Amino acid sequence: NAGVTQTPKFRVLKTGQSMTLLCAQDMNHEYMYWYRQDPGMGLRLIHYSVGEGTTAKGEVPDGYNVSRLKKQNFLLGLESAAPSQTSVYFCASSDSAGRPWETQYFGPGTRLLVL
Amino acid sequence: AQSVAQPEDQVNVAEGNPLTVKCTYSVSGNPYLFWYVQYPNRGLQFLLKYITGDNLVKGSYGFEAEFNKSQTSFHLKKPSALVSDSALYFCAVRDNTGGFKTIFGAGTRLFVKA
Repeated sequence: NAGVTQTPKFRVLKTGQSMTLLCAQDMNHEYMYWYRQDPGMGLRLIHYSVGEGTTAKGEVPDGYNVSRLKKQNFLLGLESAAPSQTSVYFCASSDSAGRPWETQYFGPGTRLLVL
Repeated sequence: AQSVAQPEDQVNVAEGNPLTVKCTYSVSGNPYLFWYVQYPNRGLQFLLKYITGDNLVKGSYGFEAEFNKSQTSFHLKKPSALVSDSALYFCAVRDNTGGFKTIFGAGTRLFVKA
């Protein structure tokens, strides 16, 4: 039982390049989330998914796209990377199907540097 | 609007001393409050949560948190700090206005000195 895994762990991009971050969970969770973490700002929600085939915007969705083709995978895409997207990206899944008391389980993070 | 504040960027405490990491919140309706911990180069790990009931919530690694409705606070505490407790701590509140979002504080770095 690996929990939540993320690939890659670290990536350097040039402005304008594209990439996809992969999140996988083996806990059969319905809800999955993508966050970005910036110094002094905590975690901010980018996009989330309440089930296979569904996605929704979070707090800071601009410049990102997501897909949830399989229940266990949640992909975050950057079509044209910008330096402002330099951040640490965390994926999470939830064990309580969106109930208010849900606990989120986080992956180890992907550190992205956009030059 | 729902919000959570962690007024201290860093808390320093000597090993063996009690520690407190502060959190205040603003929500409409019943609050659902959480503490998560992040160790270096790791993702966040759940520590404890308050849903309802007893104001003192016990969690992992000997941590506990006290819910105070009148002061809208949810401070994290531990009676005796360990060097291994040094990490980044996040308070979070659940958006209970119908969305599926958890709002995180900016984080407080705890440094425990041997």
